[in-house]
Amino acid sequence: DAGVTQSPTHLIKTRGQHVTLRCSPISGHKSVSWYQQVLGQGPQFIFQYYEKEERGRGNFPDRFSARQFPNYSSELNVNALLLGDSALYLCASSPGFNQPQHFGDGTRLSIL
Amino acid sequence: KQEVTQIPAALSVPEGENLVLNCSFTDSAIYNLQWFRQDPGKGLTSLLLIQSSQREQTSGRLNASLDKSSGRSTLYIAASQPGDSATYLCAVEFSGGGADGLTFGKGTHLIIQP
Repeated sequence: DAGVTQSPTHLIKTRGQHVTLRCSPISGHKSVSWYQQVLGQGPQFIFQYYEKEERGRGNFPDRFSARQFPNYSSELNVNALLLGDSALYLCASSPGFNQPQHFGDGTRLSIL
Repeated sequence: KQEVTQIPAALSVPEGENLVLNCSFTDSAIYNLQWFRQDPGKGLTSLLLIQSSQREQTSGRLNASLDKSSGRSTLYIAASQPGDSATYLCAVEFSGGGADGLTFGKGTHLIIQP
């Protein structure tokens, strides 16, 4: 079975631009979460979606938004990019609540 | 503020040794705790999930324990191998329903010397 897939794998943007990151969960998983990981730190929670509804939001500015589609795939959007948004963005899926979360390999975003 | 701390930050041991990684958290009312490993430039691989009602979980050479009253978890790795070299992350879900997601420690960078 395919794991969590994320695209693109790498992305380079300049300050002020907009970016969209995509995630396909493991088949049968209805929950998708997004995390930001900067070098040397553990991942930080951004959003969780379950059954296409936002269930949780971390301490990130309104420039960050996300959505989940009927097929349970998800997009993370970031507007007005800042240098500090440079990070590895990770997507995780799980069948539901209180279940192990399975992560993709992430999208490496670099802001110039 | 709910926090997760991992000690030590880095550890280097010879192949074959048994070792223990530590994780502490600030709030005993947790929902679950999960251990992950992360290889350089990669995503996270789930190792073990311990529900709040459980005391330990085992998978192969790995054993994770949970003591909510003291706010601690340990990951025990038996008979370590060079392939175990990675960063190990502890993550706590403090509230159910996905409201706060997982709160991660900064990880323990483990090197197993051949």
